[in-house]
Order: sequence, then structure tokens, then C-alpha cells
Amino acid sequence: DTAVSQTPKYLVTQMGNDKSIKCEQNLGHDTMYWYKQDSKKFLKIMFSYNNKELIINETVPNRFSPKSPDKAHLNLHINSLELGDSAVYFCASSQDEATDTQYFGPGTRLTVL
Amino acid sequence: AQKITQTQPGMFVQEKEAVTLDCTYDTSDPSYGLFWYKQPSSGEMIFLIYQGSYDQQNATEGRYSLNFQKARKSANLVISASQLGDSAMYFCAMREPNTNAGKSTFGDGTTLTVKP
Repeated sequence: DTAVSQTPKYLVTQMGNDKSIKCEQNLGHDTMYWYKQDSKKFLKIMFSYNNKELIINETVPNRFSPKSPDKAHLNLHINSLELGDSAVYFCASSQDEATDTQYFGPGTRLTVL
Repeated sequence: AQKITQTQPGMFVQEKEAVTLDCTYDTSDPSYGLFWYKQPSSGEMIFLIYQGSYDQQNATEGRYSLNFQKARKSANLVISASQLGDSAMYFCAMREPNTNAGKSTFGDGTTLTVKP
């Protein structure tokens, strides 16, 4: 069974469109995250939710909106996509929000044309 | 100042030899966690090993060990008996629960190539 899953794995879309990436974890973890990895492989946190509550919100354009319907899911919705949004987006989860190990999903490669 | 520094953008090692990937960190949080992840060319992020700041012994997981030198703020990853499948990008990361809201900070990564 996949621990942290993301859909879709690849997403190609036009500038200006709105798209969503879904994430689910079956590890029973309380905390979930979204990371962005750019073309230079730099990995940066975007958001973190603990038990459906937003706890980390980095300086991310408000076109990005995370939604956590329950603690096993954290979806990422992106409005008005721009070329610079092209990246790999990783979902991750951990048991707590402190020092616990984060487990990553397989990533979603977003390409904005 | 960078919180996590990986000074080796690329490393080469001969198959079956050991290799050390460097990582230094900067924090004033007395409690923190250090992690290493592997990212093969297929793209997934694979957790390898964890070291807590209060752990007395160096962490080990199979062929992976973490050389933790707290006073020097270094957390180098040692891979013994390298295999071709170890060729990947390796990231060092740190979590600081008190001073950084538990955020993970990642280094820029080291690309390891294992030669046959």
C-alpha cells in the first residue's frame, strides 16, 4: 500500500488555468505538507497542516490555496497558473509537527505552457 | 546565513567503496532533528536516516550511517559498500521545533555517481 500518494503524477496545462493536485496519506499522521522543487532541485516548504489546521504558510502567492478536508488529505489548488509555477510539487506527512520524520509522496510534475 | 550547507555539488565513488557526503547546519534551537533523503532520477524522495540532537549515538540504517558531530554542527552521511543503485541526489535536512515552527530546511543537495 502506498503511504503518501499524489494525483496526478504529471500535469501539463496552459497559463491562466486553474488546477488542483490531490494528496492522501494512510500512515495515520497528524501533519501534512506541500513542498515545491524547482528546476535547480531546490526544495522549499510551502504549507503545513496539523489536524486540518494551517500551521505553516510560507511566502507563497495567494493563487496557491491548500485545503485539508480531513487529516489524511491535503489538496493544493492553484489559480491563474503562471510559467514560473512549473516545478515538481511534493506532498509529505509526519506524525507530528516537530522533529518527526517526513515521508514524501511521489511528486507531481507541473508544466505550465 | 544558510541553515543547511552541502558543500559538494557532485561526488564520484567507485562501486563497493565507502563515500561520505558532507552536511553542516546552523541552529540555536537546542532540540532539532537531522535527516538525509535520497532522490533518484525517477524523482521520488526517499527517507534514509534520522539523527536527533539529543541522541548519544550516531544513527545507522543498514549501509547508511550518520557521522554526527554536534560541537562542529556537522551531520555527514556515510554510505558503505556503494552500489550502482546509490547513484542519486542526496539531501540533508533539519527540523527545528522551537525556533522554526518545525519547518524542514533542506540543503542544496549532492549528486552522487557510483562508477562500476
